[in-house]
Amino acid sequence: SQQGEEDPQALSIQEGENATMNCSYKTSINNLQWYRQNSGRGLVHLILIRSNEREKHSGRLRVTLDTSKKSSSLLITASRAADTASYFCATDARKTSYDKVIFGPGTSLSVIP
Amino acid sequence: GAVVSQHPSWVICKSGTSVKIECRSLDFQATTMFWYRQFPKQSLMLMATSNEGSKATYEQGVEKDKFLINHASLTLSTLTVTSAHPEDSSFYICSAPRNTEAFFGQGTRLTVV
Repeated sequence: SQQGEEDPQALSIQEGENATMNCSYKTSINNLQWYRQNSGRGLVHLILIRSNEREKHSGRLRVTLDTSKKSSSLLITASRAADTASYFCATDARKTSYDKVIFGPGTSLSVIP
Repeated sequence: GAVVSQHPSWVICKSGTSVKIECRSLDFQATTMFWYRQFPKQSLMLMATSNEGSKATYEQGVEKDKFLINHASLTLSTLTVTSAHPEDSSFYICSAPRNTEAFFGQGTRLTVV
């Protein structure tokens, strides 16, 4: 089962531009995480934002969380060709400390040099 | 951060044989681990929740006799794909939670020929 939806499904931008990806989810959460996956490789954890946080920064990444709308956004500023990858949001339902993490369908980002 | 090790990173097997994938939490104990499957250009789909000392919980549509899960210790969960067929070819990835954060293995690419 999938908890969330992401849009856009695919995004193509020029190097140097900003990329914004959105994620929506259905149930209450403990936290939301964003991951990057290069083609055919494992997941790289980018950032975690907790349900009581509204915004978080990490380098060129900015994540927002709106629990009232059950949505999150990932902004990558000054994109680079190396940012080309698939990006997934993942949420854990607010039940126990160790509830399962569910992934959204992902956004495929292409950064053109 | 916590480390989860998955082995092997890739495996090719003949149709009809069984393949075992291991997931280890290296520096923490995990009473629960999760197994995901990812088909090309798709998101990660949760297959099952592995519970230490008890039976795994399978998601709807996942055959428990096909995908055997054993969580015999607090640091090791195994997924065995039994009587593998070409349609089982996929990327399998495990995760272990700690303090409400999810830590992922590197993934295993299974190719059944």
